[in-house]
Amino acid sequence: GEDVEQSLFLSVREGDSSVINCTYTDSSSTYLYWYKQEPGAGLQLLTYIFSNMDMKQDQRLTVLLNKKDKHLSLRIADTQTGDSAIYFCAESKRNNDMRFGAGTRLTVKP
Amino acid sequence: EAGVAQSPRYKIIEKRQSVAFWCNPISGHATLYWYQQILGQGPKLLIQFQNNGVVDDSQLPKDRFSAERLKGVDSTLKIQPAKLEDSAVYLCASSLDPNQPQHFGDGTRLSIL
Repeated sequence: GEDVEQSLFLSVREGDSSVINCTYTDSSSTYLYWYKQEPGAGLQLLTYIFSNMDMKQDQRLTVLLNKKDKHLSLRIADTQTGDSAIYFCAESKRNNDMRFGAGTRLTVKP
Repeated sequence: EAGVAQSPRYKIIEKRQSVAFWCNPISGHATLYWYQQILGQGPKLLIQFQNNGVVDDSQLPKDRFSAERLKGVDSTLKIQPAKLEDSAVYLCASSLDPNQPQHFGDGTRLSIL
């Protein structure tokens, strides 16, 4: 099975909060990442968290890590139409061997 | 700071032809990565360089794919001959070192006819 799993779609209304979830399998992961991909573009690093942390906040973004359940989430507060994109969760191990999920397509409706 | 530069942005070739992609990483980044992203999937690592040496090429189909980073800066990825299943976006990424976050270019979208 996949190392990293995400739900494929999420739709929210502008101004609401979005929560994108991710599960991973490797307990030896050292870093966990969230990337954003807009159409025709590469991956933009949004935020990352060390595996020994529970939470990280950066402006509208909050990352929560439950290491026991191997569950990672990204909360986007006050979601805007410009946040519409595909969001990738990724884990990395030693030497930055990164494994990506298939991505969650976030649609923000006005 | 300039980001990771890739060219060309788009490439259309027929199967069995050859193609090459170029990547210029962020200045000072010692580690460079090539990924393949098939439509609807996350990126999959093809090869990782540390300066001009290969760290990991376990997922690179070596019968048709090759990559080099001769002077430890720019890199090229080549496919020869191309197959229909090679249609994908080829992404280059770089990081300061293997323990730092990776920064991605906009990719080359390859279509095989």
